[in-house]
Amino acid sequence: QSALTQPRSVSGSPGQSVTISCTGTSSDVGRYNYVSWYHHRPGKAPKMLIYDVSQRPSGVPDRFSGSKSGNTASLIISGLQAADEGDYYCCSYAGDYKGIFGGGTKVTVL
Amino acid sequence: QVQLQESGPGLVKPSETLSLTCTVSGDSIFSPSYYWGWIRQPPGEGLAWIGGVYFSGSTYYNPSLKSRVTLSVDTSKNQFSLRLSSVTAADTAVYYCARLRYSTSFYLDHWGQGIPVTVSS
Repeated sequence: QSALTQPRSVSGSPGQSVTISCTGTSSDVGRYNYVSWYHHRPGKAPKMLIYDVSQRPSGVPDRFSGSKSGNTASLIISGLQAADEGDYYCCSYAGDYKGIFGGGTKVTVL
Repeated sequence: QVQLQESGPGLVKPSETLSLTCTVSGDSIFSPSYYWGWIRQPPGEGLAWIGGVYFSGSTYYNPSLKSRVTLSVDTSKNQFSLRLSSVTAADTAVYYCARLRYSTSFYLDHWGQGIPVTVSS
């Protein structure tokens, strides 16, 4: 099973918004509303930002939002900040108790 | 708060077995709504799912690794473990353990810092 498809990189200036897409298939993203997003900085533990497509855990700013349409999920980061730099990964449930990750997107704040 | 910490050797010889342990604090491994998962990240690549284990011992694996992976739990120590046999250089990666919410949802809400493992003679 191939990884979910994400853009390799996106960039934006402080205060701007960026959108990261995550494209799967009708067997994963399109079938289940169980898409989650993670922020990963080198040497750190990945941090969950969004679960169940659009739900934010407590402590995650509302600058982060998620959505889904068909086989593609999206993460929107509004009011971009320097601390938002790093790699972002989507993950979808793919049935049979397993998950599938996206290839990762590097976010750069210009 | 929930914390997970991976431990194990950082260097494994080809054809041998990689063994890692994840120690959980701040939560019981008996939590009924959670599995305990392993994920890895090869150098320069993205995250990849390895599998998950429930406190009862039920296990679920990535089909691509299923023949070589064994996951287990040690409830007395609040730990769970990964064994990957017949390793090759392709198994060189940072290995993460994580708490996996499963049943009415599916997400990894707490992760360890990761442990780098190199397969080399």
